[in-house]
Amino acid sequence: NAGVMQNPRHLVRRRGQEARLRCSPMKGHSHVYWYRQLPEEGLKFMVYLQKENIIDESGMPKERFSAEFPKEGPSILRIQQVVRGDSAAYFCASSPRLGYEQYFGPGTRLTVT
Amino acid sequence: AQKVTQAQTEISVVEKEDVTLDCVYETRDTTYYLFWYKQPPSGELVFLIRRNSFDEQNEISGRYSWNFQKSTSSFNFTITASQVVDSAVYFCALSEARRTQGGSEKLVFGKGTKLTVNP
Repeated sequence: NAGVMQNPRHLVRRRGQEARLRCSPMKGHSHVYWYRQLPEEGLKFMVYLQKENIIDESGMPKERFSAEFPKEGPSILRIQQVVRGDSAAYFCASSPRLGYEQYFGPGTRLTVT
Repeated sequence: AQKVTQAQTEISVVEKEDVTLDCVYETRDTTYYLFWYKQPPSGELVFLIRRNSFDEQNEISGRYSWNFQKSTSSFNFTITASQVVDSAVYFCALSEARRTQGGSEKLVFGKGTKLTVNP
């Protein structure tokens, strides 16, 4: 059973460009969580999705950030008009249902130049 | 509000020493989960353990053991006979337990403890 997959592993964007981060959960997992790891702030929750639904976006910045988890295909975290402060590692985690542990992908390291 | 405190920012030990990583949590929930994750230098997050709030039994897995004490809101992690490969950042995390549709079990992480095991 393949683990959680994230791509790309490294992404470089210039200020003002868009960044798209993809996450394919483990087989049989329909719950996806996104977290961001900033150097001085540690790991912070961003958004929680189930297939076609955003359940909890309490950690998502109000502007420029969006997430989706379509019926078919990976979950996408989209950052529009990136700024230097968006440089971070973005992790996706999946679980089969509530009450189970979350398994993390390898992360996408975003660098904004 | 939930909070996880890992007071030890960095720990350095010599191989074969035992080491304990501390974790103290705050929550108003009566039902919750506690976790430990390992982040080696390669950067991925590796799941180590999950405990339910109503299960205070200590757990041992090889050289790893966990001590959960509700009375002190602590969930400490001990590595026995440490090895160089144990060098990593270790994160303690907490989530509410949600069983109903629409609930969220987002993880609240501590800031991590960087463990360095020297040969």
